[in-house]
Amino acid sequence: QVQLVESGGGVVQPGRSLRLSCAASGFTFSTYAMHWVRQTPGKGLEWVALISHLGNNQYYADSVKGRFTISRDSSKNMVYLEMNSLRLEDTAVYYCARDIRPWGIRPCFDYWGQGTLVTVSS
Amino acid sequence: EIVLTQSPGTLSLSPGERATLSCRASQSVNNRYLAWYQQKPGQAPRLLIYDASTRATGIPDRFSGSGSGTDFTLTISRLEPEDFAVYYCQQYGSLTFTFGPGTKVDIK
Repeated sequence: QVQLVESGGGVVQPGRSLRLSCAASGFTFSTYAMHWVRQTPGKGLEWVALISHLGNNQYYADSVKGRFTISRDSSKNMVYLEMNSLRLEDTAVYYCARDIRPWGIRPCFDYWGQGTLVTVSS
Repeated sequence: EIVLTQSPGTLSLSPGERATLSCRASQSVNNRYLAWYQQKPGQAPRLLIYDASTRATGIPDRFSGSGSGTDFTLTISRLEPEDFAVYYCQQYGSLTFTFGPGTKVDIK
């Protein structure tokens, strides 16, 4: 069965960096685009970043553009989110999610991980 | 950016009743690219409906979606005890992909 398991969350000071990882299993990883979505009590759900199935295209929400980088390693079935220059407002639960459409991009999310909490605090 | 508004904020109903949830977009959603998710406390969202009216794998047929343009609806024909949760709509017709604020369906 499809499984997505995030790791790497924690408490970090403003301006510092953190890298999140997502381990995927139970499906042909290289055929699906992957996403990061975050959730806060105040702002709700927010799509953060997308990487195409081949890894050659990435898209970002304006709120993280230039600070966050999404990448993937198909040899390890892993997705990453490198987060730099973190701000207080980046505090959230970060979910890794699978795009519903194989071989393309149709950004709704049929499988989600359990989430990893990132807290940005001084 | 397309802004999604959901109504009502909270819907108080009894098991067996029909639930009708609304999602309104600030501009037309291309190709009816709208999804609905269910989320329970402590869990990740679960995809129910995509492309406005297609049920995701394993979703019971008491869940149905309809609508186009700027107005979309999620209907739960007869509420089961496990259906009491928060429901979000999401558009993916244009960058940036956005979510609504959610409708909480709670037990009356």
